[in-house]
Amino acid sequence: NAGVTQTPKFRILKIGQSMTLQCTQDMNHNYMYWYRQDPGMGLKLIYYSVGAGITDKGEVPNGYNVSRSTTEDFPLRLELAAPSQTSVYFCASRKRDNEQFFGPGTRLTVL
Amino acid sequence: QKEVEQNSGPLSVPEGAIASLNCTYSDRVSQSFFWYRQYSGKSPELIMSIYSNGDKEDGRFTAQLNKASQYVSLLIRDSQPSDSATYLCAVNDYGGSQGNLIFGKGTKLSVKP
Repeated sequence: NAGVTQTPKFRILKIGQSMTLQCTQDMNHNYMYWYRQDPGMGLKLIYYSVGAGITDKGEVPNGYNVSRSTTEDFPLRLELAAPSQTSVYFCASRKRDNEQFFGPGTRLTVL
Repeated sequence: QKEVEQNSGPLSVPEGAIASLNCTYSDRVSQSFFWYRQYSGKSPELIMSIYSNGDKEDGRFTAQLNKASQYVSLLIRDSQPSDSATYLCAVNDYGGSQGNLIFGKGTKLSVKP
């Protein structure tokens, strides 16, 4: 199993541009999550999904959108990128017992 | 606002010593507790989970949980330089949505050879 995979690893965006961060898991987990991690600030939940077709907002959803058309994929969309969205983004999935497993992350810079 | 508090460190210990990492949480009804290790520039890696009061041991790692005091700790015995990382404490948001996790900001551990 590859676990949780994310693409791209790095990206630089200009202010106002849009992009989609890809996340795929092959563990057949229903629950998936998107976090952002800023230096010294811990992990903040952006969006989560409890299964295909079901998504909900986390703590910091503004400026982001998600979709979940399949169990495996949970892309995160940034519309109109802003410097405040410069961060490291992690996707995670979890088993029923709350153990979450993280992908390798995407480092995004908005200039 | 539910919170998970950790001392940011850095915590510096000599090689071979015991490293003790602490975490307190505000939500009294939380049921699941986790420790993640995060090397610089890498993603968090789950190293311990604990659900019941008391100790849970896995190799050189021991997690301790005291729900009455709302306190979780991680002990690393025989610390090695390779243990140098940031350790994140996470607690499930039991009263919130679908068992989401609330993370502390992490404690940076440095093990000196």
